[in-house]
Amino acid sequence: EADIYQTPRYLVIGTGKKITLECSQTMGHDKMYWYQQDPGMELHLIHYSYGVNSTEKGDLSSESTVSRIRTEHFPLTLESARPSHTSQYLCASSPSLGYQETQYFGPGTRLLVL
Amino acid sequence: DQQVKQNSPSLSVQEGRISILNCDYTNSMFDYFLWYKKYPAEGPTFLISISSIKDKNEDGRFTVFLNKSAKHLSLHIVPSQPGDSAVYFCAASAYSGNTPLVFGKGTRLSVIA
Repeated sequence: EADIYQTPRYLVIGTGKKITLECSQTMGHDKMYWYQQDPGMELHLIHYSYGVNSTEKGDLSSESTVSRIRTEHFPLTLESARPSHTSQYLCASSPSLGYQETQYFGPGTRLLVL
Repeated sequence: DQQVKQNSPSLSVQEGRISILNCDYTNSMFDYFLWYKKYPAEGPTFLISISSIKDKNEDGRFTVFLNKSAKHLSLHIVPSQPGDSAVYFCAASAYSGNTPLVFGKGTRLSVIA
């Protein structure tokens, strides 16, 4: 199982603040992902990366941005947080073993924007 | 259009009995399937997977069955335990490998003691 870390685990912040959610993995996986999930709802892919300096938008439109400067690090940034951004944010990674990829998830960050 | 469908939002099962969670897919290019388990406020945990060259894969109490002609897979948990109570997500990937996994909406399993 992959070691993938997310910080902070919980964040309460006021509207208009800039926030960065951290995600790191120690397995050398090329592929990394960000999902958003509201309680009891489906997983929505918002960003993914297949390697350094490569980022793509996912299925769900998001006001967040990501960067991939190092293989192990895939931070997500919200320039100006709003209450509609309140959600759980999940980071995942997978090795590049052809098409049979298994994604491994971090513990998630629960974000509450007041 | 949803490519991976979990039509049952919830399922309740008595402890010790079998839990059967179902998943249907529409994309005939999918050839690798996974099940994840998720507790509230945690990330999903990989449970078990199956390649399209197989029709069954077993790991302890968990067995996944794949029916390619029906584009249907199911996860069987035997015997069910209260700790199995969680949301279960089905996911699929296609041979190209250049697109992320496609997830279903999940089924909430409640195992009643």
